[in-house]
Amino acid sequence: KAGVTQTPRYLIKTRGQQVTLSCSPISGHRSVSWYQQTPGQGLQFLFEYFSETQRNKGNFPGRFSGRQFSNSRSEMNVSTLELGDSALYLCASSLVGASGNTIYFGEGSWLTVV
Amino acid sequence: DAKTTQPPSMDCAEGRAANLPCNHSTISGNEYVYWYRQIHSQGPQYIIHGLKNNETNEMASLIITEDRKSSTLILPHATLRDTAVYYCTLYNFNKFYFGSGTKLNVKP
Repeated sequence: KAGVTQTPRYLIKTRGQQVTLSCSPISGHRSVSWYQQTPGQGLQFLFEYFSETQRNKGNFPGRFSGRQFSNSRSEMNVSTLELGDSALYLCASSLVGASGNTIYFGEGSWLTVV
Repeated sequence: DAKTTQPPSMDCAEGRAANLPCNHSTISGNEYVYWYRQIHSQGPQYIIHGLKNNETNEMASLIITEDRKSSTLILPHATLRDTAVYYCTLYNFNKFYFGSGTKLNVKP
């Protein structure tokens, strides 16, 4: 059974540009959540989607957005990139996102903003 | 808003059991305790999770105290490949509350 797949794995962008990251959850999983990981702030929750609806959102500026498609695949977008957006962006999937579900992470997308 | 506290680092001899503690004194009744580990530059790997009963799988055992305010992850026979950062985290309202984790160093 394939795991959580994130693309691209590595990318470099320039300040002011925008970026879109993609996440394909494990087959049958309908909940997808996103986290940002930086050396200074650790793992921080961005948002969670279930059946194309955002159910929870972390404390990030509006430049960070996401969506989920009917096949449960999800994308997140960061507009007007800043140097501080350089991070590992992680996607996690589970059946319904309920406490008690087994939740799996992907390998992440490494974003470097220059 | 991390809700768990873990020692920043621990050492363990190869072949011995590694016991990683975690405090979660403000845990609420419906929050599960999850453990993940992360090897540099990779995504967190799921290890185990539980609510109040002890749990065991092929990777590890999870011991949760009766009052649920702390837990211990046990790797029964640590190998060099178990060297990683281990995160104890709580899940509620569709999100994890991650702390800083414990860097486990397994030494030959």
